[in-house]
Amino acid sequence: AQRVTQPEKLLSVFKGAPVELKCNYSYSGSPELFWYVQYSRQRLQLLLRHISRESIKGFTADLNKGETSFHLKKPFAQEEDSAMYYCALGYPRSNFGNEKLTFGTGTRLTIIP
Amino acid sequence: EAGVTQSPTHLIKTRGQQATLRCSPISGHTSVYWYQQALGLGLQFLLWYDEGEERNRGNFPPRFSGRQFPNYSSELNVNALELEDSALYLCASSSPRVAGKLLDNEQFFGPGTRLTVL
Repeated sequence: AQRVTQPEKLLSVFKGAPVELKCNYSYSGSPELFWYVQYSRQRLQLLLRHISRESIKGFTADLNKGETSFHLKKPFAQEEDSAMYYCALGYPRSNFGNEKLTFGTGTRLTIIP
Repeated sequence: EAGVTQSPTHLIKTRGQQATLRCSPISGHTSVYWYQQALGLGLQFLLWYDEGEERNRGNFPPRFSGRQFPNYSSELNVNALELEDSALYLCASSSPRVAGKLLDNEQFFGPGTRLTVL
């Protein structure tokens, strides 16, 4: 069964310190991995996806198929990074009929000034 | 461009009643997804509609049902409400398929409907 695990429910980091939010997944095929973010009083929105290989708001995430991980990293945390972060697993676009996202339980990141 | 909209914002019901939640996707999007966000459980996939048809269903009982209208808006119905149905229900939409192929599986989320069952 497909599963996404985010082991940390809460994570507090000082401003300027590095941030790493962990995500591990289980899926037998070649999934697409996403990070979604929900800022206070805002809707859930896409932060980044592994296929685009881009850095958004200073965040990066590398898909490690060997370790089945997709950890989210930022070298220097900023106060505006405080939010709820969800890792999600999607399915190959050609796999019609299986189009859903499997989410982890989320990590609440708090940046301490 | 207007995003995904959901109504109502809040809904309070009692056990045994029925709840109807509504979602309008982004203009041009034909797929609508429903998720349940219960406390401590993250987002759980409920239903996926595309072109008016139910395409996939999560591990929820049959009292969770829905439909998609010709204008691609969608309703989620929850019958015989139970206390544990209290949650935030999120709707998302994604872009249409072109020649049967999904070009982008990014999902865009609405603000949610908070359902409270007393």
